[in-house]
Amino acid sequence: SQQGEEDPQALSIQEGENATMNCSYKTSINNLQWYRQNSGRGLVHLILIRSNEREKHSGRLRVTLDTSKKSSSLLITASRAADTASYFCATDNGANNLFFGTGTRLTVIP
Amino acid sequence: SAVISQKPSRDICQRGTSLTIQCQVDSQVTMMFWYRQQPGQSLTLIATANQGSEATYESGFVIDKFPISRPNLTFSTLTVSNMSPEDSSIYLCSVDDRGFFTDTQYFGPGTRLTVL
Repeated sequence: SQQGEEDPQALSIQEGENATMNCSYKTSINNLQWYRQNSGRGLVHLILIRSNEREKHSGRLRVTLDTSKKSSSLLITASRAADTASYFCATDNGANNLFFGTGTRLTVIP
Repeated sequence: SAVISQKPSRDICQRGTSLTIQCQVDSQVTMMFWYRQQPGQSLTLIATANQGSEATYESGFVIDKFPISRPNLTFSTLTVSNMSPEDSSIYLCSVDDRGFFTDTQYFGPGTRLTVL
């Protein structure tokens, strides 16, 4: 399937540390997106990286994309307790379909 | 898992009119979400609909423009009011399946709206 897969499934770090989550996918994509889901809330879009881009920054977020390896990573620097959430990657194949991965559950310990 | 259906699957509407989109789930769920995906854009959360309470709207979305109903645990509606061409999007409802290790969202097939 085209569904992305994130690893790790769960990640627990101390506040102030960096958190890295990885996403792999199987088919060609138009763009890849990262979303956050806080407990009991809907998905919130974080960042979109297009297939011709290799790296993108937004605040404390850094996303990389390697289309040759069909993988992406999300780095959250200087983590905060408020970053505790589940993080999902989603791939867009250009046909108005988004395929979500299974998510990484991040816990930031104050 | 949850099976979600939406009606209509697509519609073409005139400026200034309103359209109500229905979302039906095959199981009882506490939380339902409404999203919009504009052409070539990411998914944007419009609001969270809980049964028995007012919907919670995200920044940039207001109840007068996107009124939501949630009469029971398996059904919700989203109305796009006083439409303009900028409202042309795919509108999706989703539900949250909270597992022990992951949070999984199940999405409906979407309603493709074109406003002329």
